[in-house]
Amino acid sequence: AQSVAQPEDQVNVAEGNPLTVKCTYSVSGNPYLFWYVQYPNRGLQFLLKYITGDNLVKGSYGFEAEFNKSQTSFHLKKPSALVSDSALYFCAVRAPKDSSYKLIFGSGTRLLVRP
Amino acid sequence: NAGVTQTPKFQVLKTGQSMTLQCAQDMNHEYMSWYRQDPGMGLRLIHYSVGAGITDQGEVPNGYNVSRSTTEDFPLRLLSAAPSQTSVYFCASSSGPERGGQPQHFGDGTRLSIL
Repeated sequence: AQSVAQPEDQVNVAEGNPLTVKCTYSVSGNPYLFWYVQYPNRGLQFLLKYITGDNLVKGSYGFEAEFNKSQTSFHLKKPSALVSDSALYFCAVRAPKDSSYKLIFGSGTRLLVRP
Repeated sequence: NAGVTQTPKFQVLKTGQSMTLQCAQDMNHEYMSWYRQDPGMGLRLIHYSVGAGITDQGEVPNGYNVSRSTTEDFPLRLLSAAPSQTSVYFCASSSGPERGGQPQHFGDGTRLSIL
């Protein structure tokens, strides 16, 4: 069965410091991987995706993620955090042969960037 | 740029009542889906559609019904509301033909309370 794990409920970092939000997955075959961000009272917004190719993927707002097949991980990173990055982050996976195109979401990680 | 529009934004129902959550998208997307978001559980797929006239069940379909008579609209019906259906509901859409690799666009959600 497909699954996504986000082991940290909350990540706290100081503004200007690098941040990492962790994600590991379990899926048959080569996965499609996504990161989304959710601000209060809003829907999810797409940040970046990994489909194939370079393991380091760059996305919106200076975020990037590294696909590691051997560790089945897709951690979200940013070199220098901003207070405005504080939000709820979701990792999601889709099996490429799933005809439903269903996304499986992790439980979410709340990022708090302190000034 | 309306994107995905959900109405209403908030709703309170009594147990046993029925209602329809509306979802419309103006991007001519083939794929539409409904998720519910509950604390600590991420998003779970309720129903989805890969095109007009085609719908299928997701992970948690019980108590919900959908139809897709047009490309633009994908309403979600609660047949007989139960307190366990208190949640935030999100509608999402994405394009094809590479549907598997395309990100989903989310509405801002409907916050539903069942008393």
